[in-house]
Amino acid sequence: NAGVTQTPKFRILKIGQSMTLQCTQDMNHNYMYWYRQDPGMGLKLIYYSVGAGITDKGEVPNGYNVSRSTTEDFPLRLELAAPSQTSVYFCASTTRAQTDTQYFGPGTRLTVL
Amino acid sequence: QKEVEQNSGPLSVPEGAIASLNCTYSDRVSQSFFWYRQYSGKSPELIMSIYSNGDKEDGRFTAQLNKASQYVSLLIRDSQPSDSATYLCAVISSGSARQLTFGSGTQLTVLP
Repeated sequence: NAGVTQTPKFRILKIGQSMTLQCTQDMNHNYMYWYRQDPGMGLKLIYYSVGAGITDKGEVPNGYNVSRSTTEDFPLRLELAAPSQTSVYFCASTTRAQTDTQYFGPGTRLTVL
Repeated sequence: QKEVEQNSGPLSVPEGAIASLNCTYSDRVSQSFFWYRQYSGKSPELIMSIYSNGDKEDGRFTAQLNKASQYVSLLIRDSQPSDSATYLCAVISSGSARQLTFGSGTQLTVLP
């Protein structure tokens, strides 16, 4: 049982390049989330999904896109990377149960130069 | 805009002391409250959850919730150097898709 996995662990992009951050969970969780964490700050929600085919914007969605074609996968797409997107990105998942917590992946550290 | 505020820190305590971490939240209908611990370069890990007013104890950790004051705290008794980390307060509001709103975190250092 791997939990939540993310790839890649590290990536350096040039301004204007695009990339996809991968997130997969094997716990059959309906809810999945993407957060970003800037240095010394808490996590901010980018996008979330309550099930396959359903996604919605969080607090900081500009410059990102997501899709959810399966329960397991929730990729985050960066189009036209900008230095402001330099951050650590965390994917998380949980169930509908009120008492269940979110389980976090190990994160992707992205630098845009 | 739903907000979660934490005391800014950093906070230093000697080994064996009690560390007290505080958090306030703006959304009155919030229902679920969490404390996450995050070591440098790692992902957040849940250490406590609390859903009703009062205290909840788990080993050396005690979470306290006061919904009337919109306040949640975490006490760490007999602090150990291994407790040195950033502690994130997080809140789920009623009616949401269980999205967490995080505070900016309090960095705790336990001095040997």
